[in-house]
Amino acid sequence: DTGVSQNPRHKITKRGQNVTFRCDPISEHNRLYWYRQTLGQGPEFLTYFQNEAQLEKSRLLSDRFSAERPKGSFSTLEIQRTEQGDSAMYLCASSAQQGLGTAYSPLHFGNGTRLTVT
Amino acid sequence: RKEVEQDPGPFNVPEGATVAFNCTYSNSASQSFFWYRQDCRKEPKLLMSVYSSGNEDGRFTAQLNRASQYISLLIRDSKLSDSATYLCVVTLPMIKAAGNKLTFGGGTRVLVKP
Repeated sequence: DTGVSQNPRHKITKRGQNVTFRCDPISEHNRLYWYRQTLGQGPEFLTYFQNEAQLEKSRLLSDRFSAERPKGSFSTLEIQRTEQGDSAMYLCASSAQQGLGTAYSPLHFGNGTRLTVT
Repeated sequence: RKEVEQDPGPFNVPEGATVAFNCTYSNSASQSFFWYRQDCRKEPKLLMSVYSSGNEDGRFTAQLNRASQYISLLIRDSKLSDSATYLCVVTLPMIKAAGNKLTFGGGTRVLVKP
């Protein structure tokens, strides 16, 4: 399977604990995105990497959230001191960088990590 | 005001009927437009891009109206398998980085019934 892979699929944690999620993008994609989706809402942008550089962060990404992509391949999203409001589906997506004259390169989403904070 | 707004539905559609729904966006700087489909508890998947001249892909037709800042999706001859949430997506320039980020609407739920 050469799609975007996310682990774990589900995570249940107690409030105050730290959690870390992993995303393995499609291997030739240099752009990686994290989104968060709650029930009945569309995905909300969290952050964006181009290769190993984190170039954009949403205001939704509080100080408790940190994302890395150390070698420009897989990425991790860590949430410290989790709160019940962090319960959501965390989606990772990747895309290839557009070249001049090429069509838009769509985002390929992983299956997501569903976080439940009790 | 949300950047991308959609009627959440659900739109209950008899099998074989036509259904259409719109999405409005607030930022006139939006550059590209898409419809994504999301099945229950699954990840979003690209359904189709939306071009200025309008475009068709089989039973699906997408239109863009830049003056009124909305896009539409029409589904003809609805199938049971069309039941899903349809997410309107626009790209906005990133604030600090080169490139665009996809901004999603809340989705319109469509239920096709026999």
